[in-house]
Amino acid sequence: DTGVSQDPRHKITKRGQNVTFRCDPISEHNRLYWYRQTLGQGPEFLTYFQNEAQLEKSRLLSDRFSAERPKGSFSTLEIQRTEQGDSAMYLCASSYAEGPYEQYFGPGTRLTVT
Amino acid sequence: QQPVQSPQAVILREGEDAVINCSSSKALYSVHWYRQKHGEAPVFLMILLKGGEQKGHDKISASFNEKKQQSSLYLTASQLSYSGTYFCGTERGSQGNLIFGKGTKLSVKP
Repeated sequence: DTGVSQDPRHKITKRGQNVTFRCDPISEHNRLYWYRQTLGQGPEFLTYFQNEAQLEKSRLLSDRFSAERPKGSFSTLEIQRTEQGDSAMYLCASSYAEGPYEQYFGPGTRLTVT
Repeated sequence: QQPVQSPQAVILREGEDAVINCSSSKALYSVHWYRQKHGEAPVFLMILLKGGEQKGHDKISASFNEKKQQSSLYLTASQLSYSGTYFCGTERGSQGNLIFGKGTKLSVKP
């Protein structure tokens, strides 16, 4: 399978704990995006990378969220001191570095904060 | 600025046609269309670029009216497999970060 993969698929954590998610993009893709989706809504942009450089971060993103892509391949998204409002599906997508940026999504990580 | 999709939901019989609209109050560079089935990731359908042509494959096509900043997705002779929620994602500049609408839930009945 050469699609986008995400790990874990499900995560249940208690409020105040830190969590980390991993995304492995399609191997030929230089760009990697993180989105968050809550029930009944479309995906909400969080941040994206081109190779290892983080090019944009949503203004809506709390300082508790941080993302890395140290070697330009896989990426991690960490949420510190989780809150119940962080419960959502976290989606990763990847694309080529040149437009028009067709983005292919992974299966997502469903986070539940209790 | 989140694009507005209409209708919010539509129910079709197999073989019927549907149109889903996506409108923005801001000038757009591109519109991306995705379909998402329950519990699954969004699946890419097509991109329409500013100044580009109408796209389509099989019985699904789309257009982009730059003057109105509106895109329409056309589904003809719908099949059961077309059921799902359709999202448009808009891009104001050629950056790649998409702003998605709230989606249109399409249900195709036999």
